[in-house]
Amino acid sequence: GNSVTQMQGQVTLSEEEFLFINCTYSTTGYPTLFWYVQYPGEGPQLLLKVTTANNKGSSRGFEATYDKGTTSFHLQKASVQESDSAVYYCVLGRNNYAQGLTFGLGTRVSVFP
Amino acid sequence: GGIITQTPKFLIGQEGQKLTLKCQQNFNHDTMYWYRQDSGKGLRLIYYSITENDLQKGDLSEGYDASREKKSSFSLTVTSAQKNEMAVFLCASRQGASAETLYFGSGTRLTVL
Repeated sequence: GNSVTQMQGQVTLSEEEFLFINCTYSTTGYPTLFWYVQYPGEGPQLLLKVTTANNKGSSRGFEATYDKGTTSFHLQKASVQESDSAVYYCVLGRNNYAQGLTFGLGTRVSVFP
Repeated sequence: GGIITQTPKFLIGQEGQKLTLKCQQNFNHDTMYWYRQDSGKGLRLIYYSITENDLQKGDLSEGYDASREKKSSFSLTVTSAQKNEMAVFLCASRQGASAETLYFGSGTRLTVL
């Protein structure tokens, strides 16, 4: 079956520090990979997605590279702000799979000024 | 743009009670989903529907019923609420069955006394 692993349950940083969230996945074929972000009191929203293996996606200063060789999709940001505090989900999607997406457990990022 | 509206935002019930959560979307999306979010467990799929009057069980469907009488609405019923149950239920929608962006509501927080 499909699975997504996020090993870090929580990350705590100061503003302007570098953020790295580890994500690996397991599936067959070529999935679409996403990062969703959830702010307090809201539902998750799309941060970025990559549909093609070995491509990079970026949004709002965040980047992630779809690495088919290592089955990874790590998220990084060079310099975080307090407003980046949220839960980040690595997510796997399969074309023509109506049952939706496979979510990782999420990583809670807390950024302090 | 569009929006997904979930009602109520907070739901408090008694053990054994039947409780209904409602979701409306104005994206005109075909596919709708109900996820359960528990702390530390990520998002787990309860039910989904690929069109009006269609219902498909997810991984966590036991103890729940769903209804999709109109394209724009998708309701979830907890058939017998369990004491000490606390979770956030998230409704989502997307167009079609491919791995496109999923749009979420802000959730209903359930507490069972």
